[in-house]
Amino acid sequence: DTGVSQNPRHKITKRGQNVTFRCDPISEHNRLYWYRQTLGQGPEFLTYFQNEAQLEKSRLLSDRFSAERPKGSFSTLEIQRTEQGDSAMYLCASSILQGQPQHFGDGTRLSIL
Amino acid sequence: GIQVEQSPPDLILQEGANSTLRCNFSDSVNNLQWFHQNPWGQLINLFYIPSGTKQNGRLSATTVATERYSLLYISSSQTTDSGVYFCAGYNAGNMLTFGGGTRLMVKP
Repeated sequence: DTGVSQNPRHKITKRGQNVTFRCDPISEHNRLYWYRQTLGQGPEFLTYFQNEAQLEKSRLLSDRFSAERPKGSFSTLEIQRTEQGDSAMYLCASSILQGQPQHFGDGTRLSIL
Repeated sequence: GIQVEQSPPDLILQEGANSTLRCNFSDSVNNLQWFHQNPWGQLINLFYIPSGTKQNGRLSATTVATERYSLLYISSSQTTDSGVYFCAGYNAGNMLTFGGGTRLMVKP
């Protein structure tokens, strides 16, 4: 059990650029979640997948955000035309079943210049 | 969705002291987890405890599901316990709703 892996750990980019983050869940965990955490706040839910199907999206997930999990294993989160307000920690979590604990990766910290 | 309130928001302890952190939910929950976020931002699972009591070393947690609250006990605190403690839960759906956290500083 190698834990949830996220890459990159840090990303600094200019406003208006596109960024993509990757999450590798714990092996055999079929549920994968994305959360966003801004400074001084608790994480907030963005979206979740069961296998390759994206089943739920928060209203926080604007049209500039897109997430995929093409083969039901790793997932990517893309932000297009980044804005200052996108600066945050993006956390990925996975769980084996509904109702089971979610395990979090170390996150990707995004800074918009 | 549910609302989650944590108290106290900030806590300063002397090394060796004990403390109790509280988490209140606006509705019953099916999943309740406690996390420790260390100064490097890593979110560490402490307990998965929708009901009952669990212990892990110097930490223990109790959830009273019928009264919609959970408590996290830290005994003989150490400087490495510093950080932010979050509780989170959900009832319907799959998204965890987090509280605002308790920021703990343990002084040597």
